[in-house]
Order: sequence, then C-alpha cells, then structure tokens
Amino acid sequence: DTGVSQDPRHKITKRGQNVTFRCDPISEHNRLYWYRQTLGQGPEFLTYFQNEAQLEKSRLLSDRFSAERPKGSFSTLEIQRTEQGDSAMYLCASSFEGLADTQYFGPGTRLTVL
Amino acid sequence: GENVEQHPSTLSVQEGDSAVIKCTYSDSASNYFPWYKQELGKRPQLIIDIRSNVGEKKDQRIAVTLNKTAKHFSLHITETQPEDSAVYFCAASGRGTSYGKLTFGQGTILTVHP
Repeated sequence: DTGVSQDPRHKITKRGQNVTFRCDPISEHNRLYWYRQTLGQGPEFLTYFQNEAQLEKSRLLSDRFSAERPKGSFSTLEIQRTEQGDSAMYLCASSFEGLADTQYFGPGTRLTVL
Repeated sequence: GENVEQHPSTLSVQEGDSAVIKCTYSDSASNYFPWYKQELGKRPQLIIDIRSNVGEKKDQRIAVTLNKTAKHFSLHITETQPEDSAVYFCAASGRGTSYGKLTFGQGTILTVHP
C-alpha cells in the first residue's frame, strides 16, 4: 500500500497518560499535515510540516501537544497528560509542495481517553 | 480566518436521483475547493476538486461548480447509487500563509435508498 499510513489505528488510554501517534506519508510527498476530527464534524487543522520544518500550528494545539518530523519522512504527534476532551480521530495527510492543497489522508488514529 | 458553511447536514434521495450539496466560504483569497467522501470508519477520500480559475469540473457522475462572486461552490452527483451513501465534506484553501491549510465544512450525510 503506497498511501498514507498511521499507527496505531486505535488507542485507549486513561486520563493523564501520554500517547504518541505515527504517520508515514506518501513517499514522494514533502508536506505533512495533522488534523483532528470529532464525531459529526469535519477535520480541523492542527499543524503542518514542509520537509522537517513545522511551519504552522493551530491555536487548537495546546502546549500539551507536540509534533515532530525529524528526518522529513514520518511524523509523530504526542499528547501529554491526556484529557477526556482529547478523544477524537487524529488524521494525517500528505501532499507535494507544488500542489500543497491537494492532500491525501491516512486512515486515522482513534483516541479514546477514559 | 476562513470559514466554510455546508448545507444540508443530511440528504436522503432515491437511487437514480440527483444530489446537490452546497458550501459557502468567507475568504475571497481562497482559490482551491476539494470535496472528500468519508465512509463510516474510513479515511476521507478526495473525489473531485476545483480551482478558482475554473467555473465547473466534471468526472463521470460527479461535478463541482464554483461561483467566485457569490463565494459558493456545489457538488452535484447524478444517477445516485447506494454506494454513494457516505458523509461528504467540502473544504477551502487559499494562498499566502494559509496555502495548503484546508478549512472543512461540517459535512453532509448522504443516504441513497435502493
């Protein structure tokens, strides 16, 4: 499968624990995006990378959230001290820089915070 | 920032009928308008997109129209089939600092009855 992949697909955790998600973009794509989707809503932008540089972060991304893309390939999204309000689907997307808005999504990681 | 409104929130049609979903956007600098289809538990799938230099685009049974003056765009599905049942999201993206950052509508649940 040469599409965007995410791991894990599901994560259940207790409030206060830290979680980390991984996204592997389409191999030739240099842009990578993170979105959050809650039930019944459209995806909301969180942050994006061009190669290894994080170029923008949404105000939705509190200081408990951190994202990295150290080698410009895969990316990780970490949530520290999880809260019940963090329960959502976390989606990753990737694109070419030249067509940055044409984005292809991964299957998402569904996070449930108990 | 950009704001995208999508209507209707639910749409029920008989197989073979047409379906139309409408979106309005607020930022006149937006110039890229994709539509995504999301089946239950699956990733958002890009089905068609349009750029602001074009008024209409068709791909088999689906088409998108754009009215830049009124700042709205629509998805048209003809000869609907039960497998078209899904949630459809519109989105908008602009140039400058928001290039590549998609702002999504709230989604339309389309049900096609056999």
